[in-house]
Amino acid sequence: ILNVEQSPQSLHVQEGDSTNFTCSFPSSNFYALHWYRWETAKSPEALFVMTLNGDEKKKGRISATLNTKEGYSYLYIKGSQPEDSATYLCASPLGTYKYIFGTGTRLKVLA
Amino acid sequence: NAGVTQTPKFRILKIGQSMTLQCTQDMNHNYMYWYRQDPGMGLKLIYYSVGAGITDKGEVPNGYNVSRSTTEDFPLRLELAAPSQTSVYFCASRKDYNEQFFGPGTRLTVL
Repeated sequence: ILNVEQSPQSLHVQEGDSTNFTCSFPSSNFYALHWYRWETAKSPEALFVMTLNGDEKKKGRISATLNTKEGYSYLYIKGSQPEDSATYLCASPLGTYKYIFGTGTRLKVLA
Repeated sequence: NAGVTQTPKFRILKIGQSMTLQCTQDMNHNYMYWYRQDPGMGLKLIYYSVGAGITDKGEVPNGYNVSRSTTEDFPLRLELAAPSQTSVYFCASRKDYNEQFFGPGTRLTVL
């Protein structure tokens, strides 16, 4: 694949539910995948930079895994809270300098 | 350490007017980027720079120009504004292969 694809596009979960979403990226010449959290009316903030196949990163209730051979990464949120509501973006390098961003997964956590 | 700053925050232009969006970073990052956010389309790369004096086109460069005379500054120039340039513009920077740091964005409306 030449694009970065994210699914689902949007997601509504109840407070306390755990959830996950997917980022698919070009697996050839891989060297990094970035996850960003983007709250409404703010700018994207980096969550994780993933570089190794089988890598797993964790920050509080949020974790991510990486499979570079098949070209996908999962983002997991355990025990979702209303403050987790945001758009989650992934980005894959295109060559050395540029990044392709997915269109994001928009998460809404209902109290 | 202010990170990435952008000015102005908001601007309304008439068709055919020109303006410069300012972007400054104080982290001594070598790479800088300009993106536009269109509804449902995620982030599209307009231009990027790999260092002072070096710039290149991204996915959607038409109607824009950039310059990078210093490491810190990466202004984006709009010539002959058109309604299609109504968008939110984000500047970002990064060091080597690390994550991108985004500015707060400039919301531009062209009427």
